[in-house]
Amino acid sequence: AIQLTQSPSSLSASEGDRVTITCRASQGISSDLAWYQHKPGTPPKLLIYDASTLERGVPSRFSGSGSETDFTLTISSLQPEDFATYFCLQFDSHPQTFGHGTKVEVK
Amino acid sequence: EVQLVESGGGLVQPGGSLRLSCAASGFTFSSFAMTWVRQTPGKGLEWVSTLSHKNDKTYYADSVRGRFTISRDNSKNNLFLQMDSLRADDTGVYFCAKWAGVGGVWYFDFWGRGTLVTVSS
Repeated sequence: AIQLTQSPSSLSASEGDRVTITCRASQGISSDLAWYQHKPGTPPKLLIYDASTLERGVPSRFSGSGSETDFTLTISSLQPEDFATYFCLQFDSHPQTFGHGTKVEVK
Repeated sequence: EVQLVESGGGLVQPGGSLRLSCAASGFTFSSFAMTWVRQTPGKGLEWVSTLSHKNDKTYYADSVRGRFTISRDNSKNNLFLQMDSLRADDTGVYFCAKWAGVGGVWYFDFWGRGTLVTVSS
């Protein structure tokens, strides 16, 4: 199974900061990667699919980039509602596999 | 508005069984494949099982194959996961998720909140 290594596992940031999270695949997965935001007690929310396509309704401060093995999720200016856990998920090959998540906390 | 609501979790002894349900609304349930994903203390997020929209193709993680059975009732917009021979390492939160596909690009576009399964004596 393809392994996704996500980093950092956690970070502390302030409102307005630029935040970057990376996801590295153990083998090439083209652009078959999605990013999700998850807050406790709520459903995970799709942010980005196909590595860089912003889901409808998701604020433009979120962006995704990368292909094959190296991917990045960027929040250009962190807002209070963005403090959450973010995880990547690959759909290139079966079984789908997940990054271990990045918890974005208040600095 | 798409909604997925899981139920059926709880405390069960090792070797026991549970049946999880996922009630879907806000979309044409019979047109989309559905998946169960779990989040466990030991492995984090893990894909568990997928069922095609026509109810004719099933896929299972090696860790649950032979113990879990996925099914659906398209007339009632429900997805199920029958879990037998439960083990302590099956403990976790179980989510149902809806597949989306656009031009050959696949992903889960909606998830439920999850239901907690605890396997313990």
